[in-house]
Amino acid sequence: AQKVTQAQTEISVVEKEDVTLDCVYETRDTTYYLFWYKQPPSGELVFLIRRNSFDEQNEISGRYSWNFQKSTSSFNFTITASQVVDSAVYFCALIPNSGYSTLTFGKGTMLLVSP
Amino acid sequence: DTAVSQTPKYLVTQMGNDKSIKCEQNLGHDTMYWYKQDSKKFLKIMFSYNNKELIINETVPNRFSPKSPDKAHLNLHINSLELGDSAVYFCASSQGPGGTGTDTQYFGPGTRLTVL
Repeated sequence: AQKVTQAQTEISVVEKEDVTLDCVYETRDTTYYLFWYKQPPSGELVFLIRRNSFDEQNEISGRYSWNFQKSTSSFNFTITASQVVDSAVYFCALIPNSGYSTLTFGKGTMLLVSP
Repeated sequence: DTAVSQTPKYLVTQMGNDKSIKCEQNLGHDTMYWYKQDSKKFLKIMFSYNNKELIINETVPNRFSPKSPDKAHLNLHINSLELGDSAVYFCASSQGPGGTGTDTQYFGPGTRLTVL
């Protein structure tokens, strides 16, 4: 069975601060995929990134960056120079690359960015 | 232009009623899903269909019955609604089933179901 832990329930920052959202996972599968989704106050779930367990390169997309470390089973997400529009619940998720697998979500981290 | 759409967006109903939620995707994907998000925001898979065939059926009361008339549609019918069914229900789709490498899931806007 898979498990995804997002230990930070809620984070509050002031605009322009950098913030890192932690994600730690457990799986017995040797190959798997990791995801981050954003759920803004409007409620929809927005796909942000998908990462293959074979690819440990960090990824940067604008103000967003992701740090995947297999040695610590972590897939952390950093927002640089946060903005009010970044306020949302962020979910980390994992799916093993075997059979008809299901996506296991963490419980989410609520990020509140104040002006 | 919408990739994954759901109707209705809000559904308020009385206990004991039967209701349906519809989902459509125009991404040409083969796989569709239903998720339930509870009041604590926890997301849990309920069902998954691949090419109109049920492939995942988590521990869900049999009052919930999904139906996939074609690859682009996945509906959720709920019988004898209970207070505990109140939640946000999300439909999602992916090119292929989970675990196949083509499994990035794109979600619909959600349907907020309130059972009174």
